[in-house]
Amino acid sequence: SQTIHQWPATLVQPVGSPLSLECTVEGTSNPNLYWYRQAAGRGLQLLFYSVGIGQISSEVPQNLSASRPQDRQFILSSKKLLLSDSGFYLCAWSVGGGAADTQYFGPGTRLTVL
Amino acid sequence: AQSVTQLDSQVPVFEEAPVELRCNYSSSVSVYLFWYVQYPNQGLQLLLKYLSGSTLVKGINGFEAEFNKSQTSFHLRKPSVHISDTAEYFCAVRSSNTGKLIFGQGTTLQVKP
Repeated sequence: SQTIHQWPATLVQPVGSPLSLECTVEGTSNPNLYWYRQAAGRGLQLLFYSVGIGQISSEVPQNLSASRPQDRQFILSSKKLLLSDSGFYLCAWSVGGGAADTQYFGPGTRLTVL
Repeated sequence: AQSVTQLDSQVPVFEEAPVELRCNYSSSVSVYLFWYVQYPNQGLQLLLKYLSGSTLVKGINGFEAEFNKSQTSFHLRKPSVHISDTAEYFCAVRSSNTGKLIFGQGTTLQVKP
């Protein structure tokens, strides 16, 4: 069966510091991978998605970037964190790529920027 | 453009009572519909999905939802809730001509003893 991991689970970082969040998927090949952010009391905002190694699409302009160095690894980064980057970051995966495919979510990373 | 509206931000209900969480969507083409549940400080878990076929969809934990094309709705129901159903519930839609999954703002279900 497929599983998705995210780490760290929680992170407290000062403003201006760098960021690296990691997501890995097991039990499937060539998944589509997604990064979402969930701000307090709000819904989910799609940040990035990837259909393959090195292929990244950005949904909104922001202080963040994403990379996919391996088939089942997706990394979210920032060079300098802002207060507004605080939130709950969720990684998700799907296979197939069609409109009917289902996204499955990881446990999330709680980021607090102080 | 497609959009999703969850009509209630919070739904308080007593244990063993029935509940309905409302979801309406807008799209000019065929859609695929999903309900996810999020327990505190956890990721989203798929409850159920409508892709095609029967408009009444049954999911995990005793939940079901009905796709109503004329009303553009996909309301989630459970005949008898438990304390453990207390969570945030998200409705999501993807239209047949895009790959983007659009989420509603969520509904907090608060089950009281």
